[in-house]
Formats: sequence, C-alpha cells, structure tokens
Amino acid sequence: SAVISQKPSRDICQRGTSLTIQCQVDSQVTMMFWYRQQPGQSLTLIATANQGSEATYESGFVIDKFPISRPNLTFSTLTVSNMSPEDSSIYLCSVEGTTGATQYFGPGTRLTVL
Amino acid sequence: AQKITQTQPGMFVQEKEAVTLDCTYDTSDQSYGLFWYKQPSSGEMIFLIYQGSYDEQNATEGRYSLNFQKARKSANLVISASQLGDSAMYFCAMRERMNTGFQKLVFGTGTRLLVSP
Repeated sequence: SAVISQKPSRDICQRGTSLTIQCQVDSQVTMMFWYRQQPGQSLTLIATANQGSEATYESGFVIDKFPISRPNLTFSTLTVSNMSPEDSSIYLCSVEGTTGATQYFGPGTRLTVL
Repeated sequence: AQKITQTQPGMFVQEKEAVTLDCTYDTSDQSYGLFWYKQPSSGEMIFLIYQGSYDEQNATEGRYSLNFQKARKSANLVISASQLGDSAMYFCAMRERMNTGFQKLVFGTGTRLLVSP
C-alpha cells in the first residue's frame, strides 16, 4: 500500500491570501489526484496531475485558482489562491494502487478561510 | 445524472449487529470498479473494499463484504459484528474513465453510521 503524507494538516488563513499544500508519496506513481471536500459534502475531483505535463482540471476548477505542480514521481503541490471563505474545505491528495484495485488518500488538509 | 446514489443519510446499528449500507450506480461502461471508503471525524479516507465489474465473487475484507448485484447496479456494503469504532461516514465510489483517458473516482453523498453500545 502507498503511504501518503500531506502538509499542512490544517490551517486557518485570511481572505485574499494563498496556501500551498504539499503531498508526498512513499513510492513512484504516475498519476496524482487532488480532491476537495466542502463541509458536509462528498469528495469532488479538482485535477489530475501527471509528472512532466500540465495538470488536467475538472469542470468548475481553473488553473489560476488551483495551480498544481508535479516536479517528480513522488511529490505534488496544490495551491489555493486568493482564498475566500467558500474555499474552506478538506483537500485530499490521492494515488492509485499498483493493481488499480485500490486508491489511497492522504490524511487531508483541513483549511479554514476567515 | 447522478452516478453514485446512497439513499441512506444516516444509519443506526447496535454493537455486534450486522448493517448494510446501500449504494447504486449508473454507468454505460462494461469495465468499472466500485469502492467503499470510511471517513472518521478526523477526515482521513480509509479504503475498505473494492469490487471489479468482472469479478465473479463478491469482495470480502475481514468484517466487510460487498453485496454486488450487477444487473441491479447495486454494490451494498455489509459490515458484520459492528464495533463502536465503526461509527463514521461511509462513501461509495465508482471509478470512471474521463474524456482525457484518465480515470477518476466519483463519490456518492455518503451514509453516516452510528454504532450504539
């Protein structure tokens, strides 16, 4: 199984600022996924990050708001830019297992925007 | 159209009893995968069980089993011998292929399970 860590685990930020979330995996993976979970809601995919190429964003999410980096096969960052209270969510990083029969999630970053 | 439907917002079960959490899905793909996750109050997503569309046997993992009825497009999670630590949100998810060729998980709205002593 993949072990995924995320930093920070939680943060409280002011409106208009930006926060960069880091995701580290203990093994090399092709694809990394970033999900958002708004309070009381289910998970929604923000984007898929493939090493060496631009991230692919889902409908409703744009690169200017959620820029993603994927510098190597074990690391990715998601930035939440120009934050507003509506960005208060849990942000989760995810990777597929080697067989495709599993998908693992990091512990999440709990973001509160005031 | 909603791809994953979980009709039970909340479920209650007594410790040591079995409980079934419902999940129905909608897809036109022949090859797909179904997942169940547990999310305690800490927020982490814990993978529980996986069922592939071509798997002939229902998946089992310890106290978790998946009642897969392909014709009905249902993939219910059965938890046997419930424990207090099973109290959490449970999400059903389906892997679907995107236009880009990549695959992503689509989640249901979740069921909150409360296990009482």
